[in-house]
Amino acid sequence: GNSVTQMEGPVTLSEEAFLTINCTYTATGYPSLFWYVQYPGEGLQLLLKATKADDKGSNKGFEATYRKETTSFHLEKGSVQVSDSAVYFCALEDFGNEKLTFGTGTRLTIIP
Amino acid sequence: EAGVTQFPSHSVIEKGQTVTLRCDPISGHDNLYWYRRVMGKEIKFLLHFVKESKQDESGMPNNRFLAERTGGTYSTLKVQPAELEDSGVYFCASRLQGDPGIYGYTFGSGTRLTVV
Repeated sequence: GNSVTQMEGPVTLSEEAFLTINCTYTATGYPSLFWYVQYPGEGLQLLLKATKADDKGSNKGFEATYRKETTSFHLEKGSVQVSDSAVYFCALEDFGNEKLTFGTGTRLTIIP
Repeated sequence: EAGVTQFPSHSVIEKGQTVTLRCDPISGHDNLYWYRRVMGKEIKFLLHFVKESKQDESGMPNNRFLAERTGGTYSTLKVQPAELEDSGVYFCASRLQGDPGIYGYTFGSGTRLTVV
């Protein structure tokens, strides 16, 4: 079956630090990959996505590249801000299978 | 455009009681999904409605859980009787009908259920 493994948290960084949250996956098909974010008190929001190998998703300064050879989709940001504090979830969706498979989530806290 | 609305936002009930969670999807979204995050673990799929029909209920944990979507609008998820392990955050999401790669999910803020 499908599964997503992501970096355990919590992660605490200082403002302007470089961020990497690792995510690897196992899928039976050729999935689309996503990063979702949940800010305090809010619902899950799509942060970025990639639908095929070597695609790079990007949004709000965050980036992730779909690496089929390493089955990875690591999230990066060059300079984090306090407002980036949230829980980040890596997820996949197999083509033709309308359900998301999520990782366990990584809580990120940015301190000024 | 109003988003996906869930209520209550929080619910604390005793073991053995019944709780009903409600989800109002975005108007016009035929697809409605329920997910659950238990004890800080991964978010897991519960079921998927297309209009009023259950398309996939493979994630429903047991027969204490009953989901309905009468009329194809809002949905309810009833837990009866609730057990301690049912505690967690229940998310609802909706999506337009069509290519999932194009029409993404919109999630609600979730209902935090605590069974004591």
